[in-house]
This record gives sequence, C-alpha cells and structure tokens, in this order.
Amino acid sequence: NAGVTQTPKFRILKIGQSMTLQCTQDMNHNYMYWYRQDPGMGLKLIYYSVGAGITDKGEVPNGYNVSRSTTEDFPLRLELAAPSQTSVYFCASSSGGDTQYFGPGTRLTVL
Amino acid sequence: GENVEQHPSTLSVQEGDSAVIKCTYSDSASNYFPWYKQELGKRPQLIIDIRSNVGEKKDQRIAVTLNKTAKHFSLHITETQPEDSAVYFCAASKATGFQKLVFGTGTRLLVSP
Repeated sequence: NAGVTQTPKFRILKIGQSMTLQCTQDMNHNYMYWYRQDPGMGLKLIYYSVGAGITDKGEVPNGYNVSRSTTEDFPLRLELAAPSQTSVYFCASSSGGDTQYFGPGTRLTVL
Repeated sequence: GENVEQHPSTLSVQEGDSAVIKCTYSDSASNYFPWYKQELGKRPQLIIDIRSNVGEKKDQRIAVTLNKTAKHFSLHITETQPEDSAVYFCAASKATGFQKLVFGTGTRLLVSP
C-alpha cells in the first residue's frame, strides 16, 4: 500500500502559468481533500470530494479547480498562478472512519 | 463558520517534563477533535482524536481532554522526549465519516535533552 501519493514534490511557476497537482490514493477511500499550508499557519481546506464525480468548495477555493473522475485520483488545477498561491499543498483521503491520511505534499513557489 | 484558536504558538520544555497545548473552538455543533503531529518537512499525522461524547482519551504518554461547555480541548504529553519535537495542530469538525476539518495555527514544541 503506497497510501496517498502526490506529484510533483516541488515546482516553481511564473505568474500566470497553470499547472495540475496530482494526487492518488490506493486505499479505496471515498473521501478526498486538498489543503494548503502557508508558513507558520495551519492547513486550510481548498476543495473536497465525497466520491467519484462529486466535488465541493472548502474554505479557500478561489483560483483552483478540481475533478474526481475515479475513486483513486483527485487532481488540483491552478489556473493563472499568482504569488499568493505560493504554499505547500497536501492531499488527504479518508474512509467512513475519521482518520485523514495525508500525502507527502507539494511545495509550490510562484514568482 | 468554525474558528479554532490554538495556544501557545511555541513551547519549550526539558526532556521528561510535561507539555500542554490548548485549543478553543467556536461552533458548538463540532463533535470531532483530532490532533496532528507534523515533523519538519513531513506530512501531518494523526496522533490522537476525541469525540464530543467522551471527556478524556489516553494513548500511552499522550492524552486529550475535552470540555464541551467551555468549548475547549487540550493535548497533554507526559515524559516528553526529544523525538516529540514537532509542530502540533488541533482541528475541529462537525461531521462524522466525511470530515471538513478546521485547523488551529499550530504549536511548535521543542524538547531539549
């Protein structure tokens, strides 16, 4: 079991560029989440999904989009990257239980 | 919406001492309170959690207490060890199964040998 995996680990973007952060889980979890973690801060929920084909906004969705075409994958799309999106992005998943399992994170810098 | 405040932001203790981190929440409907540990450069990992129908929960050197009336919960670590050094986050949620967690801002714990 690889758990939750994320790619890439690091990325530098120029202002206005776009990219997709990949997230995959092999635990057959229904629920998946995207968080961002700014320096010295807690995690803030960007988007979440309760199953394939179902997504919804979290606390800070502006500037992001998601899709969930399969149970395993939950990619996060950044359109028109801005410096304010410089952050560490974590994907997580959970089953009907409570524990959220986090991926290793993607460190994104927008210059 | 829910708001979670966490104190202190940093905590330094000597090895073997106890450490206490406190969180308050605003939404009385919240019923699930996990604590995550995040080592430098690593992912957050759940260390303990508590539900609103329980006042206290222990797991070896770690315990969590919950006061629903006052809307606060605390993490207690006894006999601290250098490997306990990390950032600890509390969170709150009012869902079961699917969790829309609201996190505190974290406490950096430093345990000196």
